[in-house]
Amino acid sequence: DGGITQSPKYLFRKEGQNVTLSCEQNLNHDAMYWYRQDPGQGLRLIYYSQIVNDFQKGDIAEGYSVSREKKESFPLTVTSAQKNPTAFYLCASSIVMNTEAFFGQGTRLTVV
Amino acid sequence: DQQVKQNSPSLSVQEGRISILNCDYTNSMFDYFLWYKKYPAEGPTFLISISSIKDKNEDGRFTVFLNKSAKHLSLHIVPSQPGDSAVYFCAATEANQAGTALIFGKGTTLSVSS
Repeated sequence: DGGITQSPKYLFRKEGQNVTLSCEQNLNHDAMYWYRQDPGQGLRLIYYSQIVNDFQKGDIAEGYSVSREKKESFPLTVTSAQKNPTAFYLCASSIVMNTEAFFGQGTRLTVV
Repeated sequence: DQQVKQNSPSLSVQEGRISILNCDYTNSMFDYFLWYKKYPAEGPTFLISISSIKDKNEDGRFTVFLNKSAKHLSLHIVPSQPGDSAVYFCAATEANQAGTALIFGKGTTLSVSS
């Protein structure tokens, strides 16, 4: 079954710790994205990647880092520099940029 | 500054009636628009899209209308069903501009009562 898998679904971390969220897709899509959802804020773009070994900052990239070493994988690291890391994180992919994006089930990160 | 705006945070409709969700955009370069539906604690799922060369696109109970001069689009759901209760996001992009991701609105929560 093709799709996007985010893991884990729920994640708890202590303040000041870095944490990495996993995103894997087997749709053979070139483009991948990370969005963050907060109540009343919609979906805000953190980072995106058009192709392997390339990625660009989105609107709210501060405190986050990504890598795109494989076409299938686009992990997101939430660093200790991110001031408000508690949120619902969504990974998505599309065949190429600017086309219909398919989303994973999301990871709820809670920093305590 | 928000480029995609959904000014109604919520909408309540009775089962069987029409639901109309609205979306405005400010960037005149946007030429491809999408609607997504999202249930709590899940990822959004794609509903319907429209290119700027059209002013209407229909898929079953869902119809999207685009008014380019007003920079406005709307999603019509007819007839509305309780299972349609979810958050609906409007998204826009420049289809032929490299390096442009989907820009989302803040969403409208639709509640359909039986």
